Amino acid sequence: NAGVMQNPRHLVRRRGQEARLRCSPMKGHSHVYWYRQLPEEGLKFMVYLQKENIIDESGMPKERFSAEFPKEGPSILRIQQVVRGDSAAYFCASAGQSNQPQHFGDGTRLSIL
Amino acid sequence: GQQLNQSPQSMFIQEGEDVSMNCTSSSIFNTWLWYKQDPGEGPVLLIALYKAGELTSNGRLTAQFGITRKDSFLNISASIPSDVGIYFCAGPGSSDAGGTSYGKLTFGQGTILTVHP
Repeated sequence: NAGVMQNPRHLVRRRGQEARLRCSPMKGHSHVYWYRQLPEEGLKFMVYLQKENIIDESGMPKERFSAEFPKEGPSILRIQQVVRGDSAAYFCASAGQSNQPQHFGDGTRLSIL
Repeated sequence: GQQLNQSPQSMFIQEGEDVSMNCTSSSIFNTWLWYKQDPGEGPVLLIALYKAGELTSNGRLTAQFGITRKDSFLNISASIPSDVGIYFCAGPGSSDAGGTSYGKLTFGQGTILTVHP
């Protein structure tokens, strides 16, 4: 999975705190996708961004969750006032064009105490 | 929404055996992707299929895009211990008028492969 960098790899938060997950896409990629994976399940799409624009956020909860991909810097997935149900692995993928295969990072494992 | 069903859910095989797994959908997909996920890592793309009926190989892996565009299978020949992992099929959730658009991917629930030495 060289290329798409996610940090932190593991994040522990207490209920009510904020979680910020970062994703640096592969060099030259301007399309970023966020997915969530619960244990023993497939990945579920959350949001698709293309440099400063949210293209599709149909998989992202309307409350507490937000995503951005600024002109400079990594894409950020932000979860406010975390709850136990937010515990999951969050994966970021990037692509050079929307019609090219997505390449995934190694994920951030979020644990809520 | 679109759903992909993978079978079997898990497989336990001996090293050297061949493996076959498949993925079906109730709706048509224009592209099929097969990923492998190792523990603690992200999915890695194995094979991408773009045309109905297409048969594509990548080393010991072979995948086919079903004629109906509603199914795909993945075969692994002469399995080895490092084939252990979870195999996912995936397809794009939308397509634009101009051609294939990946957009968001819909994933199957995965096939867990265990290989005994």
